[in-house]
Amino acid sequence: KNQVEQSPQSLIILEGKNCTLQCNYTVSPFSNLRWYKQDTGRGPVSLTIMTFSENTKSNGRYTATLDADTKQSSLHITASQLSDSASYICVVSASTDKLIFGTGTRLQVFP
Amino acid sequence: DTGVSQDPRHKITKRGQNVTFRCDPISEHNRLYWYRQTLGQGPEFLTYFQNEAQLEKSRLLSDRFSAERPKGSFSTLEIQRTEQGDSAMYLCASSLVLRTGLYEQYFGPGTRLTVT
Repeated sequence: KNQVEQSPQSLIILEGKNCTLQCNYTVSPFSNLRWYKQDTGRGPVSLTIMTFSENTKSNGRYTATLDADTKQSSLHITASQLSDSASYICVVSASTDKLIFGTGTRLQVFP
Repeated sequence: DTGVSQDPRHKITKRGQNVTFRCDPISEHNRLYWYRQTLGQGPEFLTYFQNEAQLEKSRLLSDRFSAERPKGSFSTLEIQRTEQGDSAMYLCASSLVLRTGLYEQYFGPGTRLTVT
């Protein structure tokens, strides 16, 4: 069964600190992996897209890594800001655009 | 605003009533998707269109659900005889093919449905 699992389920950090979110997947065949940010009550917004040949991609303070051999990905957030408080969803695609979503990590950044 | 828009943003209805949601995609996007998201979960795929053709439907899309995209522009999602289990956020997305051949999906703000 195609599944995407994320950890931790929730995370609280202080403003300015770094954090890393994890994603494990069992989707096959694998096409690409995406990280989305979803603010409460809003639709998800894409942060990064990586294909199997890419093992890291950055978008500002967000850096995603991918290990296609172990089927793991991480999202590292540097120097967190209050506006980073959101859910971060790992999404894996078995084709060019059919997406399988994880349940997300709820991040709260406190001053 | 040239993003994906959805209407209404919130809908409260009584069990057994029919509801219809609208999605207006980004104008040059030919693919349009519907997802359902319940609290604490990631979005689940319901169906998608390429232009006016509905190409795939999830098992989640029971016979009470129907989606249309006349003329390949806006789309509607109708739920007949709503049940309390239909309470969720209904998200619409439209997509554009990137240079890599991947489709970047842009999501709307969603319609929050509450069935009482």
